[in-house]
Amino acid sequence: ERVMTQSPATLSVSPGERATLSCRASQSVSSNLAWYQQKPGQAPSLLIFGASSRATDIPARFSGTGYGTEFTLSISSLQSDDFAVYYCQQYDTWPATFGGGTKVEI
Amino acid sequence: QMQLEQSGAEVKKPGSSVRVSCKASGGTFDTYSINWVRQAPGHGLEWMGGIIPMYGTTKYAQNFQGRVTVTADASTSTAYMELSGLRSEDTAVYYCARDFLGLGVSIGEDAFDLWGQGTKVTVSS
Repeated sequence: ERVMTQSPATLSVSPGERATLSCRASQSVSSNLAWYQQKPGQAPSLLIFGASSRATDIPARFSGTGYGTEFTLSISSLQSDDFAVYYCQQYDTWPATFGGGTKVEI
Repeated sequence: QMQLEQSGAEVKKPGSSVRVSCKASGGTFDTYSINWVRQAPGHGLEWMGGIIPMYGTTKYAQNFQGRVTVTADASTSTAYMELSGLRSEDTAVYYCARDFLGLGVSIGEDAFDLWGQGTKVTVSS
């Protein structure tokens, strides 16, 4: 199965700054890559699918790029509501697998 | 707006089984697959298995093969996940999640756009 590796494990940023999160796949997953946001005590929430398409009602400050094995989630101008854990997930090859997550903290 | 509502928290003894339910409200499963994803303390997310309720088709991750059974009642839009042979490492929050495309052909091969609130299962003697 595809192994997804996220970096860094923790990202410390200030409100208003830009955050850049990375996700690497052990083999190509084409553009079949999703990003999720998870806040404490809540289920994950889909942010990005197809590597770069925002899910419904996701603000434009969230953007995804990448193809193959290297992917990036960027959050421009971080807001207080954005401090959370972010997971990438590949769904190119069964079974779907997730990265270990990046915690975005103040 | 469709929501997935899961059953409440469970405390189980090692060696026993647990059954978690996931009911769709405000909609039906149609041809979507319902998947089960677990999150153990301090760990990430792990896909366990899933079902397309309309067809009864199931698929399971190798790590859980033989211990997990996913069923569904399409008439009540409720899916179930049963995990047997519980051990302390199974202590986790278990989520049901709907696949994004809902084409009725894939289980565990899609993004997940709708999640239940999670069910905490604690395995302790």
